[in-house]
Amino acid sequence: NAGVTQTPKFQVLKTGQSMTLQCAQDMNHNSMYWYRQDPGMGLRLIYYSASEGTTDKGEVPNGYNVSRLNKREFSLRLESAAPSQTSVYFCALTGNTEAFFGQGTRLTVV
Amino acid sequence: RKEVEQDPGPFNVPEGATVAFNCTYSNSASQSFFWYRQDCRKEPKLLMSVYSSGNEDGRFTAQLNRASQYISLLIRDSKLSDSATYLCVVNERRTDKLIFGTGTRLQVFP
Repeated sequence: NAGVTQTPKFQVLKTGQSMTLQCAQDMNHNSMYWYRQDPGMGLRLIYYSASEGTTDKGEVPNGYNVSRLNKREFSLRLESAAPSQTSVYFCALTGNTEAFFGQGTRLTVV
Repeated sequence: RKEVEQDPGPFNVPEGATVAFNCTYSNSASQSFFWYRQDCRKEPKLLMSVYSSGNEDGRFTAQLNRASQYISLLIRDSKLSDSATYLCVVNERRTDKLIFGTGTRLQVFP
């Protein structure tokens, strides 16, 4: 995971609570992504950012917001968590020939 | 139709067997292709890139057929340590998005 730091690793939320998942890189790559992974569903793209200051919706953006204020950081926010958002979340960034992932955040919403 | 489709498996094979995974993608403008390996509860990691001319890395061979929009991964002489989920990944040229298949699970038994 060299260069991609994702926090927290684990989180339990109550329905309606908010939280922000943080992702930071020191690899100077432009493109960053947030995915969620559920059993049998693979990795589904929530939001991505092609460069600093730009963000675009992916396949499953509802219930999430993102922020890319600088090149290093791309955060994912849940404003009002729902049980359906229980999942494993991965931040990723792409280089020329490879994608690099954070270690993941296991989020449980009860 | 999903953008990237894989047979979810599981593929249960004995040690020493040869196993092949297939993947199809729907966007003809896709630019780059990869196979990733994901171990249980871990982040995906690059196994190999896939080139039009085909490429081999030890026991692993990847091939791309752009005309049929088809990618394959062949594993020869399977080891117990090959047990994992194998993800087909496609990079779109225009948006630079990484699109993942749902993954094919491989279980190698003694």
